[in-house]
Amino acid sequence: QLQMQESGPGLVKPSETLSLTCTVSAGSISSGSYYWGWIRRPPGKGLEWLGSIYYSGGTFYNPSLKSRVTISVDTSKNQFSLYLNSVTAADTAVYYCARADYAFDYWGQGILVTVSS
Amino acid sequence: EIVLTQSPGTLSLSPGERATLSCRASQSVRSSYIAWYQQNPGQAPRLLIYGASSRATGIPDRFSGSGSGTDFTLTISRLEPEDFAVYYCQQYGNSLFAFGGGTKVEIK
Repeated sequence: QLQMQESGPGLVKPSETLSLTCTVSAGSISSGSYYWGWIRRPPGKGLEWLGSIYYSGGTFYNPSLKSRVTISVDTSKNQFSLYLNSVTAADTAVYYCARADYAFDYWGQGILVTVSS
Repeated sequence: EIVLTQSPGTLSLSPGERATLSCRASQSVRSSYIAWYQQNPGQAPRLLIYGASSRATGIPDRFSGSGSGTDFTLTISRLEPEDFAVYYCQQYGNSLFAFGGGTKVEIK
């Protein structure tokens, strides 16, 4: 069964760059026609899709965040990463990585990232 | 950009009752591209329904999805205690994804 695990700092200072990595096990990022994505849930709010990277390397981002988000992949490590720059308190959230074809069927457990000085 | 609007925001029901959750899209969406998720506190979302009406692996048959065009519905035929949670619809189109704002199903 595919497993996904987020990792990275739990605390980021305002104006800095949030960096998270998702490690995929029991399955290859390079195989199958899947999107590998990042979703977040701010406290008291709903889910927000941030962006995805396709198995072939193409990237797709939420238009509302496009200028601040970058997603990259390291197939040798079976990992993909999220970079969100110029963070503010509004970026405080639980961040999830997940796999999708048209729906997200496998999810990581999530990681809480707090933006604070 | 397609916007999904879920209603109601909160649904107060008793165990054993029927829950009907609505998801309306700002423009027509292919049914293949509509999904529903359940999220309990402290847990990751769980895929319930994909393709508007197909249950994901291991999902009980009390959960059903329907709809087409711009209007989609998630129905829980008889609420079990573990069904009180937040539910989200999600759409896919042109390699972009979007979630609705969510419906909280709470115990009355």
